[in-house]
This record gives sequence, C-alpha cells and structure tokens, in this order.
Amino acid sequence: GEQVEQRPPHLSVREGDSAVITCTYTDPNSYYFFWYKQEPGASLQLLMKVFSSTEINEGQGFTVLLNKKDKRLSLNLTAAHPGDSAAYFCAVSAGGATGGNNKLTFGQGTVLSVIP
Amino acid sequence: DAGVTQTPRHEVAEKGQTIILKCEPVSGHNDLFWYRQTKIQGLELLSYFRSKSLMEDGGAFKDRFKAEMLNSSFSTLKIQPTEPKDSAVYLCASTMDWGYEQYFGPGTRLTVL
Repeated sequence: GEQVEQRPPHLSVREGDSAVITCTYTDPNSYYFFWYKQEPGASLQLLMKVFSSTEINEGQGFTVLLNKKDKRLSLNLTAAHPGDSAAYFCAVSAGGATGGNNKLTFGQGTVLSVIP
Repeated sequence: DAGVTQTPRHEVAEKGQTIILKCEPVSGHNDLFWYRQTKIQGLELLSYFRSKSLMEDGGAFKDRFKAEMLNSSFSTLKIQPTEPKDSAVYLCASTMDWGYEQYFGPGTRLTVL
C-alpha cells in the first residue's frame, strides 16, 4: 500500500526565515494531496489541497510544490512567524481513481517552531 | 454548518474497562474515518466507512476495536477491553466524496490507567 515519508520531524526557524517540509510517496496513482496544520491541543485543519494536475499552489504565506516524477510534495512557508508554530502533516490519496477507497495516508508530521 | 463533533472530549478508564467514543460527521458527508493519534506512531487509521458500509477496519486494531455506523449521522468506536497502550487521542473525520478534504473533529483524549 501507499507509504508516505515526511521530513524533517522537527524544524526550528527564526521569525522571517523560510521553512520547508517535504513528503515523498510511493503510489504512482496518488492524485490528491493535502497539507494539514495542527496547533497545540487542537485538531487538524486543512491548509491546502493539491491535485496532481497542478504543480504549484500558493496560499497565504506559503507555497506547495508537487513533483510527480519524483513523487515529492513540499510545503514552503515563506517568512515564517510565531503563529506558524504547529505540527504539519501531509496526506496522500488515490481517491477512487483506481477503484481503491478514499482513505488518506498521512506523513509522520513535522513540528515547526518559529522563534521570535 | 456544524463541523464534526466528538464526545466525550476526555475519557479516563481503568485497564480492562469498555469505553465507547461517539462521533457525528458533517451533515451530508458520505465517508467517515476513525484515527488514533500518538506522538510515536502519528496518525493511524482505525476504521473507514463509506455510505455506512465498513470499507476498512485497520488490520492490527481488529481484536479490541470495533467501529459502527448505524446511521449516516452517527458513529461509535468501542474499545474492549482497554489497555494502557490505548492511551491516545482518537480523531473522527468525515468527507463528502473522492478527492475532498477530510474535516476533523476535536478528538477524544483517552487515558487508560
């Protein structure tokens, strides 16, 4: 089945610096990709959804890159601020594309600390 | 629209007890998922329902974990008997269809003594 590896497990950056989190996945049929943010003591909130047909997606203060050839997904937080301190999870799904089910396979998570 | 609701938010159980966690998905969502979250193992899928049918029951969690979805708006996760290693946060999530994001509930923090 699908396997997702997320790196690094912990990341500490200074306010204003960029932070990059990367996930690699194994299933070439993966089509839907998600980034979730989890603040301390809270549940997971969707940060961005990416389809395999789109390689670059920009949000507010971050960019998501998808490299289908290398099966790599990355989240780049530009100019990190203390409010970005949280755990981040990537998640991958093939959806119903191959008759499979709709479950997500999650990365192990990255705990980001932004130092003021 | 109400999000995913989970009750209770906290549960403390003695080893060997039976506990039941509850989840109400977002209205209209077809898929419901139960996850266990720990610092060491991360997010592990326990059960997955599509239109109330059990699609996946999480393999290693079969023997003491049983999820049910008797109607489209309510699901339960029973752990019987509980063990200290079951201490974790249990998350319920729902989604509308293929390719849509999963909406997560606030979770139930279970402590087994």
